[in-house]
This record gives sequence, C-alpha cells and structure tokens, in this order.
Amino acid sequence: DTAVSQTPKYLVTQMGNDKSIKCEQNLGHDTMYWYKQDSKKFLKIMFSYNNKELIINETVPNRFSPKSPDKAHLNLHINSLELGDSAVYFCASSFGTGGYYEQYFGPGTRLTVT
Amino acid sequence: AQKITQTQPGMFVQEKEAVTLDCTYDTSDPSYGLFWYKQPSSGEMIFLIYQGSYDQQNATEGRYSLNFQKARKSANLVISASQLGDSAMYFCAMREDMDSSYKLIFGSGTRLLVRP
Repeated sequence: DTAVSQTPKYLVTQMGNDKSIKCEQNLGHDTMYWYKQDSKKFLKIMFSYNNKELIINETVPNRFSPKSPDKAHLNLHINSLELGDSAVYFCASSFGTGGYYEQYFGPGTRLTVT
Repeated sequence: AQKITQTQPGMFVQEKEAVTLDCTYDTSDPSYGLFWYKQPSSGEMIFLIYQGSYDQQNATEGRYSLNFQKARKSANLVISASQLGDSAMYFCAMREDMDSSYKLIFGSGTRLLVRP
C-alpha cells in the first residue's frame, strides 16, 4: 500500500496556467508538508499543515495556495504559473510536530512550465 | 546563512567497501535532530537514519550508521559494505524547531556512485 501518494507524477503546462497537485497519506499522520526541489536538487520546505491548520508558510509567492480538507490530504494549487516554478514538488507527512519522527515523502510531482 | 553543509558533491566507492558521506551543521539550539535521506534516480526520498542531539549513542540502522560528533557539529553517514543499489543522492537534514512545529533544513546533497 502506498503510504504517501501524489497525483499527477508529471505535469507539463504553459506559463500563465493554473494547476493543482494532490497529496494523500494513509499513515494516520497529522502533519503534512510541501517541499520544492529545484534543478540543482536543492530541497526547501514551502508549507506545513498540522490537523488541517497551516503552521509553516515559508516565503513562497502567494500564487501558491495549499489546502488541507482533512488530515490525510494536502493539495497545492498554483496560479499563473511561471517558468521558475518548474521543479519537483514533494509532499511529506509525519506524526506530530515534535520533530522526533521522520517525515515520509511522496514520489514527487515533476512540474514543467513551458 | 546555510545551516547544513555537505561538501562532497559527488563520490565513488567500490562495491563492498565502506563509505563516509560528510555533513556539518550549524545551530545554537541545544535540542535538534539530524536526518539522512536517500534519493535514488527514481526520485523518491527514503528516510535512512535519525540522530537526536541528546542521544548518547550514535544511531545505527542496518548498514547505515551515523558518526555524530557534537563538538565538531558533524553528522557523517557511514554506509558499510556498499551495494550497487546504494548509488543515489544522499541528503543530510537538520530539524529546526519553530513555535509550534518544526521544519527540515536540507543540505545540497552528495551523489554516490558505487562501482562494481
């Protein structure tokens, strides 16, 4: 059974479009995250939700809007896509916010903006 | 300021030999945690090992061990008896505590290639 799943795995779109990436975890975790990995493989956190509440919001353009309908889901919507948004986006989840538990990552969504 | 440093962008190791991947960190918090993740060419991030700042012993998980030197602020990953499947990117990450949560700060990664 897939622990953290993301759809779609690949997303190719044009500048200016709006797109969404969905994430679901079946681990019973209460905290979920979005990370962005750029072309140089650098991985940086974007958002974190705990029990559907936004708890981390890094300096991300407000074109990016996360939504957590329940503890098991965290979606990422991106408006007015730009070339610089091309990256791999990872969803992750963990127990609690204490940091003593590892984060489990999804397979990633490779977004290409043309 | 960068808080996690991985100085080896790429490394080679012969199959069945041991290899050490370097990681140094910078924090003023007495409580922190250090993680290592593996990212194979397929792209997923796989958790390998965790070391807490108060842990008395170095963490070990199978062929992975963490050489934790607190005074030097280093948390090197040691992979024993390398296998071809160990070829991947390896990321060191540090837990940064925030008011009501924490986040992981990742290093730039080390690409390991295991030679047959």
